[in-house]
Amino acid sequence: EVQLMQSGAEVKKPGESLRISCQGSGYSFSRYWIAWVRQMPGKGLEWMGIIFPDDADTRYGPSFEGHVTISADKTISTAYLQWNSLKASDTATYYCARHRAGDLPDWGQGTLVTVSS
Amino acid sequence: EIVLTQSPGTLSLSPGERATLSCRASQSVDSTYLAWYQHKPGQAPRLLIYGASTRVIGIPDRFSGSGSGTDFTLTISRLEPEDFAVYYCQHYGSTGTFGQGTKVDIK
Repeated sequence: EVQLMQSGAEVKKPGESLRISCQGSGYSFSRYWIAWVRQMPGKGLEWMGIIFPDDADTRYGPSFEGHVTISADKTISTAYLQWNSLKASDTATYYCARHRAGDLPDWGQGTLVTVSS
Repeated sequence: EIVLTQSPGTLSLSPGERATLSCRASQSVDSTYLAWYQHKPGQAPRLLIYGASTRVIGIPDRFSGSGSGTDFTLTISRLEPEDFAVYYCQHYGSTGTFGQGTKVDIK
């Protein structure tokens, strides 16, 4: 069974850094792209970017390039989403998902990130 | 960048009724890469349809997808109580993109 286990909820202050994680199991982690998806409070889903763990090829959505960093460590089947300096507008639930051939059949449970002074 | 526009924003229907959700792309897309998701509060989104019309194993056959080019449709033939949720279309090309969602709520 494919599982994506995300790290727990975070409460941070503006300007702080953060890295959240997504560990895959039940499939060959390095051979499938992992996508990150944002849902801001009361809003819809937004595609942030995607990484291929085997060679770390990464592609960002236009709104997210330069604002977040997506990485992966295939040796521990884990993908990451990182911010160097959080803003209040980064408050959202972040999902990772296994990317197949254009679609996302398997999702993590979501990580709530709250940024507040 | 392809933009997906879903309509209507909200669909208020009763159980047993038929729901027709639209997803329009700003330019023609390969239907191979058009998917639909169901999203309920507090849960992860769930893939329903991929390749515009292929239902995921385990998804009830009251859910169906159709369309090509720029116009795609998700149809729920007879709404069950558990179908009231937000539905998103999604496309993957040079990057991924979601529509803004259609909320199906109880009338």
